[in-house]
Amino acid sequence: GENVEQHPSTLSVQEGDSAVIKCTYSDSASNYFPWYKQELGKRPQLIIDIRSNVGEKKDQRIAVTLNKTAKHFSLHITETQPEDSAVYFCAANTGNQFYFGTGTSLTVIP
Amino acid sequence: GAVVSQHPSRVICKSGTSVKIECRSLDFQATTMFWYRQFPKKSLMLMATSNEGSKATYEQGVEKDKFLINHASLTLSTLTVTSAHPEDSSFYICSVRGMADTQYFGPGTRLTVL
Repeated sequence: GENVEQHPSTLSVQEGDSAVIKCTYSDSASNYFPWYKQELGKRPQLIIDIRSNVGEKKDQRIAVTLNKTAKHFSLHITETQPEDSAVYFCAANTGNQFYFGTGTSLTVIP
Repeated sequence: GAVVSQHPSRVICKSGTSVKIECRSLDFQATTMFWYRQFPKKSLMLMATSNEGSKATYEQGVEKDKFLINHASLTLSTLTVTSAHPEDSSFYICSVRGMADTQYFGPGTRLTVL
């Protein structure tokens, strides 16, 4: 099955700086890669996604890049704000199943 | 996106009892729902894929007889934790597979088994 690895597990940045979270996957058949933000005790919320036919996607301060050859994709958050503090999960979709990364706890220091 | 509800949000039960958790897709006909388990500060662990009108597909290591899943309609899937024990205490989250592979999560159910 698919194996998704996520790094780093924790990340602290100063407000206004950028944050980058990276994920790798193993199954070349994976074709959809969403990113979720989860605040403590709440449900994961989709923040951005990318499909295998696209290399980069941007939505305001958030961007995702995908390298199919290397099987890795990254989340980039620019101009970070304290409300960006949360746990972020990447995922890879293979057919009918989603496989999640282990999560990154992001802390934005005011 | 799809609106997904879960009930109850929290449940405390005694060891040996069974607990049913409901997952409802309020505005979307969900042929596929997923059940996840999440330990504190850990990732989402897929337990099973629930398909409407057919048997659920369980992930390796998840006991079918322990975690009963029923997806009898396009808007409701239930997870029953049978003969619950303290080690079953966890955060259980369902999700609905939406259009174009997107996934929408329920708010989760915090289960505590005493």
